[in-house]
Amino acid sequence: AQSVTQLDSQVPVFEEAPVELRCNYSSSVSVYLFWYVQYPNQGLQLLLKYLSGSTLVKGINGFEAEFNKSQTSFHLRKPSVHISDTAEYFCAVSDPSGGSNYKLTFGKGTLLTVNP
Amino acid sequence: SAVISQKPSRDICQRGTSLTIQCQVDSQVTMMFWYRQQPGQSLTLIATANQGSEATYESGFVIDKFPISRPNLTFSTLTVSNMSPEDSSIYLCSVEGQSRGYTFGSGTRLTVV
Repeated sequence: AQSVTQLDSQVPVFEEAPVELRCNYSSSVSVYLFWYVQYPNQGLQLLLKYLSGSTLVKGINGFEAEFNKSQTSFHLRKPSVHISDTAEYFCAVSDPSGGSNYKLTFGKGTLLTVNP
Repeated sequence: SAVISQKPSRDICQRGTSLTIQCQVDSQVTMMFWYRQQPGQSLTLIATANQGSEATYESGFVIDKFPISRPNLTFSTLTVSNMSPEDSSIYLCSVEGQSRGYTFGSGTRLTVV
């Protein structure tokens, strides 16, 4: 079974500082990896995804993530954060070999708080 | 990517009653997914709904508690039955978009009192 571990439940940073949100996954097979963002009182929005190819994935709002197969990690980074990046961030994994049912397994989330 | 309209956006319900949540998609999709997000927790998949067949429930979720309908390729409902305060959560529907980019509805915030 797949599992996702987000190592930090909360990450406070100052505006314009860099940030890294960590995500590790456990799976015996190849996986698809995702980062979603949930702004207060809203649904989930896809930030970026890794399906195959280049291990460095660029997403929306200046975020990027790097897939590291040997470390089974998919950490999310942004070089300079804004107040508006304050949100909950979820890492998720799905198994591409799962037939047509590509279920997502989510981590517990990381609350990013950007302070002025 | 698909656009999902989910309603109601929030509700406060009495224990023992039922609430039906609707999701309307602006394009035809094969599968729709229903998730629960309990307070301070991550998302947990409740069930997968295919049009024209019974929904497939994940471990810990049963049809009697969470009946799902999928009458066509653009619409689904999830009912939370015989509610208790432990059912207070955000419920979200989701569909698979292009290249495995899943789209989520804006969620239904349910409070059971």
